[in-house]
Amino acid sequence: SYVLTQPPSVSVAPGQTARITCGGNNIGSKSVHWYQQKPGQAPVLVVYDDSDRPSGIPERFSGSNSGNTATLTISRVEAGDEADYYCQVWDSSSDHRKVFGGGTKLTVL
Amino acid sequence: EVQLVESGGGLVKPGGSLRLSCAASGFTFSSYSMNWVRQAPGKGLEWVSSISSSSSYIYYADSVKGRFTISRDNAKNSLYLQMNSLRAEDTAVYYCARDGSNRPDTDGMDVWGQGTTVTVSS
Repeated sequence: SYVLTQPPSVSVAPGQTARITCGGNNIGSKSVHWYQQKPGQAPVLVVYDDSDRPSGIPERFSGSNSGNTATLTISRVEAGDEADYYCQVWDSSSDHRKVFGGGTKLTVL
Repeated sequence: EVQLVESGGGLVKPGGSLRLSCAASGFTFSSYSMNWVRQAPGKGLEWVSSISSSSSYIYYADSVKGRFTISRDNAKNSLYLQMNSLRAEDTAVYYCARDGSNRPDTDGMDVWGQGTTVTVSS
């Protein structure tokens, strides 16, 4: 089964750039989606298809995907960006299913 | 306003059954693939099941295959999850989520409900 690996936590100071990685075997051949989830709230899609942003998502959120690693980059981090972030792909290699990474807690120092 | 509202959660004994519903509004429900995603207390997101816009394609996580059944009624703008043979490990908040297209293998899940809580305990 396909596995996505994320670091449990990332810390960054306000105004700096946060990078959250998502590792998977040849993930560069898949479309990666990223979700933000704040405590007690439903997830929100922040990046889809590797690097596209839904309407209403700030340009500070961007994504890239190559080789075995996809990355969510948050520029000029704000206190309100503190949340859990999850990557997700569609796995059709064995059984058809959606796969989530384990999630990364972003802490704004 | 585009909206998804889940209902049907509650407390159920191990081995019992529950049926979740998700009412959609503000968009053409029949044009989109739909999903159930769950989150156990203090844990990450876990995909449960997907159904294409016309119900032609249905997929399940291994953890629920044979016990859960996803369905939809496009005339009623509603998504369902029939959960049988429930186990303690099925305890979670269950979210209804819309895909960005009529297929579950493209785009991301761009609209989410607020979730309904299922607790499996004796």
